[in-house]
Amino acid sequence: KAGVTQTPRYLIKTRGQQVTLSCSPISGHRSVSWYQQTPGQGLQFLFEYFSETQRNKGNFPGRFSGRQFSNSRSEMNVSTLELGDSALYLCASSLPRSTSAAPAEQFFGPGTRLTVL
Amino acid sequence: DQQVKQNSPSLSVQEGRISILNCDYTNSMFDYFLWYKKYPAEGPTFLISISSIKDKNEDGRFTVFLNKSAKHLSLHIVPSQPGDSAVYFCAARPGGSNYKLTFGKGTLLTVNP
Repeated sequence: KAGVTQTPRYLIKTRGQQVTLSCSPISGHRSVSWYQQTPGQGLQFLFEYFSETQRNKGNFPGRFSGRQFSNSRSEMNVSTLELGDSALYLCASSLPRSTSAAPAEQFFGPGTRLTVL
Repeated sequence: DQQVKQNSPSLSVQEGRISILNCDYTNSMFDYFLWYKKYPAEGPTFLISISSIKDKNEDGRFTVFLNKSAKHLSLHIVPSQPGDSAVYFCAARPGGSNYKLTFGKGTLLTVNP
């Protein structure tokens, strides 16, 4: 089974621009989550989508947004880029239902390295 | 407020010996705990997980122990191999449909030949 794929792998933008990152989940996985990794803050949750709806959201400004398509593929968008947005952006996919007896594991893609100049 | 803490930034062990990585959490709502291994510039690789209804889970060389009363979990790797050298992240999430993972800062494990 193919893993989670993310495109592009590397991106360089300048302050004030906007960027769109893409994530294709593992086949059959309908939940997609996004994370930001920076040296100072570590891995931080951005948001999670299921059935084209945002199900959970982290503490990031409104410049960070996302969406999910009917085929479960997801995109995240960052508008008005700031230097501090330079990070590794990671996408994780999972089966949509999780119980204590059968918890749903979350699998990550390779990430998109965004550099803001 | 760090809800998931990995207090050891680094750990060095000899090949063949046991590696023990520790993780503490503060949020009683966490229901599911995962360990990931990560290399630089790559996404985390899922290793092993444990649900709050269990206190131990084994998968090959990897065993995770959960002590709910102490809000503590640990990952044991036996025997350690040089290929295990990486950053290990502990993560936790609530139960139900909340898939938000809260991560620790990670522990750099170095296994020396």
